[in-house]
Amino acid sequence: NAGVTQTPKFQVLKTGQSMTLQCAQDMNHEYMSWYRQDPGMGLRLIHYSVGAGITDQGEVPNGYNVSRSTTEDFPLRLLSAAPSQTSVYFCASSRLASSSYEQYFGPGTRLTVT
Amino acid sequence: SQQGEEDPQALSIQEGENATMNCSYKTSINNLQWYRQNSGRGLVHLILIRSNEREKHSGRLRVTLDTSKKSSSLLITASRAADTASYFCATDTSGGSNYKLTFGKGTLLTVNP
Repeated sequence: NAGVTQTPKFQVLKTGQSMTLQCAQDMNHEYMSWYRQDPGMGLRLIHYSVGAGITDQGEVPNGYNVSRSTTEDFPLRLLSAAPSQTSVYFCASSRLASSSYEQYFGPGTRLTVT
Repeated sequence: SQQGEEDPQALSIQEGENATMNCSYKTSINNLQWYRQNSGRGLVHLILIRSNEREKHSGRLRVTLDTSKKSSSLLITASRAADTASYFCATDTSGGSNYKLTFGKGTLLTVNP
């Protein structure tokens, strides 16, 4: 199993540009989520999904869109990038049926918006 | 402040010593989880303790949970240089169809050889 994969690893955007961060998992996990990690702020939840076709907002959803058309994929879209979105983005997945919600994280995408 | 907060923010010890990190939270939880993050990498799940458990062990890790004080501690015994990483607690406050796992800001542990 590859686990949770994220692409790209690094990205530089100009203000106003759009892009999609890709996330895929091959563990058949129902739950997938996106976090951003900023210095001194820990991890903050952006959006999450409990299954295909179901998404919900987390703590900091503004400026980001998500969709979940398949169990495996959970892309994060930045429609109009802003410097405040400079961060490291992590995708994670977990099984819901286990009731422990142990999360498996991807390696992260380091995004810089200039 | 956040639901889960680790203390101290940074800890530096010598190899072979024990390292203790604490986590405090505000609301009732279903479980509390500890994760490790090596520099530049994703988080890795270490151990989970449920709200009805008081202590749990996994190898050199010992986790305690005091729900009356809303606090948890992570003890790493006989630390190694490879234990150098950031450690995060995460509190599960899910209910019904609303899933919520909230991470603290982390403790940076440095183990000096």
